[in-house]
Amino acid sequence: TQLLEQSPQFLSIQEGENLTVYCNSSSVFSSLQWYRQEPGEGPVLLVTVVTGGEVKKLKRLTFQFGDARKDSSLHITAAQPGDTGLYLCAGSYNNNDMRFGAGTRLTVKP
Amino acid sequence: ETGVTQTPRHLVMGMTNKKSLKCEQHLGHNAMYWYKQSAKKPLELMFVYSLEERVENNSVPSRFSPECPNSSHLFLHLHTLQPEDSALYLCASSPRTLRGRTGSEAFFGQGTRLTVV
Repeated sequence: TQLLEQSPQFLSIQEGENLTVYCNSSSVFSSLQWYRQEPGEGPVLLVTVVTGGEVKKLKRLTFQFGDARKDSSLHITAAQPGDTGLYLCAGSYNNNDMRFGAGTRLTVKP
Repeated sequence: ETGVTQTPRHLVMGMTNKKSLKCEQHLGHNAMYWYKQSAKKPLELMFVYSLEERVENNSVPSRFSPECPNSSHLFLHLHTLQPEDSALYLCASSPRTLRGRTGSEAFFGQGTRLTVV
């Protein structure tokens, strides 16, 4: 069974601070997705990374895929209260299956 | 507007009731999924349908019964549930090609918050 570990589990920071959250697996991903979920809502796709070493930027968010395609990180610059939510990573091992991590719950205080 | 709509948004049911959750997607995707999200646990994949055929059932109890009449609609029929089945049930869809690596991104509905009393 492929397992994804996300760290930290909880993170509380002040507005304007930077942060990084991590997603790690012992298995190689064919692709990896990051999602953000707000309370009472479904996860919303932020980005997909496919190539080892790939870096993608989405405004203040920077996503990196490890060279071996077994880990990923999400870095947020100058966090804002609107960034508050549950950040989930999901690894794809074939076209039908996605395994999710337990998520990092981020709180950004004004 | 996510393109994936789930109804109802909230459901309270007794252990002897029978109810159904509905999911509809307008994205032209060929694969649809049911996930269960409980507090402090990862999303649990329950069922996968691809081209209207069930391709995976992760040992889900028989009190959960999925139905996929066409590629746009997915149902989850519930009967004789237990209190521990209370959770957020999420439907998702993804594009799927018959060959290649594409199509693994999921687009989620807003979920149905189920409470079993």
